[in-house]
Amino acid sequence: NAGVTQTPKFRVLKTGQSMTLLCAQDMNHEYMYWYRQDPGMGLRLIHYSVGEGTTAKGEVPDGYNVSRLKKQNFLLGLESAAPSQTSVYFCASGQLIDAFFGQGTRLTVV
Amino acid sequence: QQPVQSPQAVILREGEDAVINCSSSKALYSVHWYRQKHGEAPIFLMILLKGGEQKGHDKISASFNEKKQQSSLYLTASQLSYSGTYFCGTEMGSSASKIIFGSGTRLSIRP
Repeated sequence: NAGVTQTPKFRVLKTGQSMTLLCAQDMNHEYMYWYRQDPGMGLRLIHYSVGEGTTAKGEVPDGYNVSRLKKQNFLLGLESAAPSQTSVYFCASGQLIDAFFGQGTRLTVV
Repeated sequence: QQPVQSPQAVILREGEDAVINCSSSKALYSVHWYRQKHGEAPIFLMILLKGGEQKGHDKISASFNEKKQQSSLYLTASQLSYSGTYFCGTEMGSSASKIIFGSGTRLSIRP
């Protein structure tokens, strides 16, 4: 009963490096989301997907790309990391009536 | 488009009641409520889909006033375990499908 699993849990990047965060869900949910949460702040939507093969921009999409090639996976990519992207990243999946969150990925860009 | 939550922070003694409000400048399709404890992922509490709908479980309930474009979360006889930051998330339009969160209300319960 894994639910929503994010990998990795922690990562330190140098400015300009690239990386991909993986979100996997085993609940057969159509909707998946990527949020970022900065200290003392709420969750801001980066990108989301309403089904396999679809993606859409959220509130703060710049500097990020996503892909949903398989229904159970939602990937978040940073092509050229910047210190402003230091944050905790949460993935969530749901069916419009609820959403379940992963445990988060703490990313630091130095 | 971000919903506005009030108050930003609340400090209660165990057993006291609290109300957290969430309002939007645009018409809402649904309102979600989540609680997040420090260092943990947000946990889903409930969703309200219809105007005037009320829901609750245990001593936590919520209402959704579609006309006023606002929702309120009610915590009665608060327990220490209720401490955390409460977020409301809103969807605008039946096909919106994206949940936008407010900035949160930090609730601290003291013995």
